[in-house]
Amino acid sequence: DAKTTQPPSMDCAEGRAANLPCNHSTISGNEYVYWYRQIHSQGPQYIIHGLKNNETNEMASLIITEDRKSSTLILPHATLRDTAVYYCIAGGASGTYKYIFGTGTRLKVLA
Amino acid sequence: GAVVSQHPSRVICKSGTSVKIECRSLDFQATTMFWYRQFPKQSLMLMATSNEGSKATYEQGVEKDKFLINHASLTLSTLTVTSAHPEDSSFYICSAWGDSNQPQHFGDGTRLSIL
Repeated sequence: DAKTTQPPSMDCAEGRAANLPCNHSTISGNEYVYWYRQIHSQGPQYIIHGLKNNETNEMASLIITEDRKSSTLILPHATLRDTAVYYCIAGGASGTYKYIFGTGTRLKVLA
Repeated sequence: GAVVSQHPSRVICKSGTSVKIECRSLDFQATTMFWYRQFPKQSLMLMATSNEGSKATYEQGVEKDKFLINHASLTLSTLTVTSAHPEDSSFYICSAWGDSNQPQHFGDGTRLSIL
C-alpha cells in the first residue's frame, strides 16, 4: 500500500473552510484515496473516498490532482465538532484491501 | 451508513487473563475484517486481516498465538488476547469491509487495561 504524508497539525477558524493536504506520490493505479477522522477514544469515522475524480458528499469534498500524487480534503464550514485527527489512506486494493495508516493531521477548529 | 459494533468498549483485568473482543457488522456482510491496535498518541497499527472461514493473516511482528482471531461468520469476528500482560494494554479497533472499492467501516474500539 502507498504511504501517505500529512502535516502533523493545522488550525482553522470556526466557520471557515479547512483544507487538509495529503501526499501519496507512490499510489498505484488501482488504489483509492480514503479519508477518515478520529475523535479521541473512538474508532475512525469514514468521510469520503475517490479514485481519480473529485468527490463531494454531505461531509466534505475531495480534490485529487490529475497525476493522483496528492489530494486535499475540504471541510467547507468547519465547526468545533470537526476538531479531530484526520487520516488520509491510499490503498484498499491489490486483493487485500488493507489500510496502512500514517500519522494523520491533528485539526483544531478555533472559536 | 454501515454500522460496526465492537464489544466490550472497555475491559480491565488481571495479568494472565485471556480477553475476548467481538466485532460485528450489523447491516452488511463483511467479507473481510481487520484488527488494529493503537497506543496513546500514536496512529493505528494493523495487526491482522481476517477472512470469513479461513485463517487470519498476521502482520509482521504480531504473535498469532498471542492474538487469536476467529471469523466464523460474515458478520462476526473475535480477537482473543491470551494470557494478557500489562504491555498488551492498548486500544483495539476492528473494521469490516464487504464490497470491492467500498471503504472499511470501523467499530468504536475496546480499551484494554491489564493490571
